[in-house]
Amino acid sequence: ILNVEQSPQSLHVQEGDSTNFTCSFPSSNFYALHWYRWETAKSPEALFVMTLNGDEKKKGRISATLNTKEGYSYLYIKGSQPEDSATYLCAFLLYGQNFVFGPGTRLSVLP
Amino acid sequence: KAGVTQTPRYLIKTRGQQVTLSCSPISGHRSVSWYQQTPGQGLQFLFEYFSETQRNKGNFPGRFSGRQFSNSRSEMNVSTLELGDSALYLCASSLAPGPANTGELFFGEGSRLTVL
Repeated sequence: ILNVEQSPQSLHVQEGDSTNFTCSFPSSNFYALHWYRWETAKSPEALFVMTLNGDEKKKGRISATLNTKEGYSYLYIKGSQPEDSATYLCAFLLYGQNFVFGPGTRLSVLP
Repeated sequence: KAGVTQTPRYLIKTRGQQVTLSCSPISGHRSVSWYQQTPGQGLQFLFEYFSETQRNKGNFPGRFSGRQFSNSRSEMNVSTLELGDSALYLCASSLAPGPANTGELFFGEGSRLTVL
């Protein structure tokens, strides 16, 4: 059974702080990694789709990096805002298989 | 463009009953997958359908079943409900399934099932 881990489980930061979290996944047979943001009472929405080792993606204040050789991805949020409060999920895809989701990192940004 | 629609949004059942949940994907999306989320757990994969065929199935008992219709709409059914089946059930659609497609999943808002 594949295991995707995310750390930390939760964190609280002040508005304006920068933060980052980690997604760890099996490094063999990698095919793709996704990041999703899941706000309370809404549906998860894709942030990034990453497929290549060394990928770096950016969307506004949020960016992500991917290291498939060592099996991790980092998500960075620069200058956190209260609207960034959400659970951030990573999902790992093996070739020919289904997505395996991590347990998520719950971020709370305090004004 | 309409998003993924799941019905019903909330439902309450008692142990031993069965339930059917429905998912209408985004127009043009042919792949539908289902996930279960329980407190403290990540999204657990149930199954994936593409062109009316089940492509993958997660590690759930046979009480969990699903199907996909020719218009790509999907239903999942849980028979003989147990208390532990209380969860949020999410449906996601995508243009096509893996392995060739690494495209993002588009999620519905989920159906929250409570089993008493």
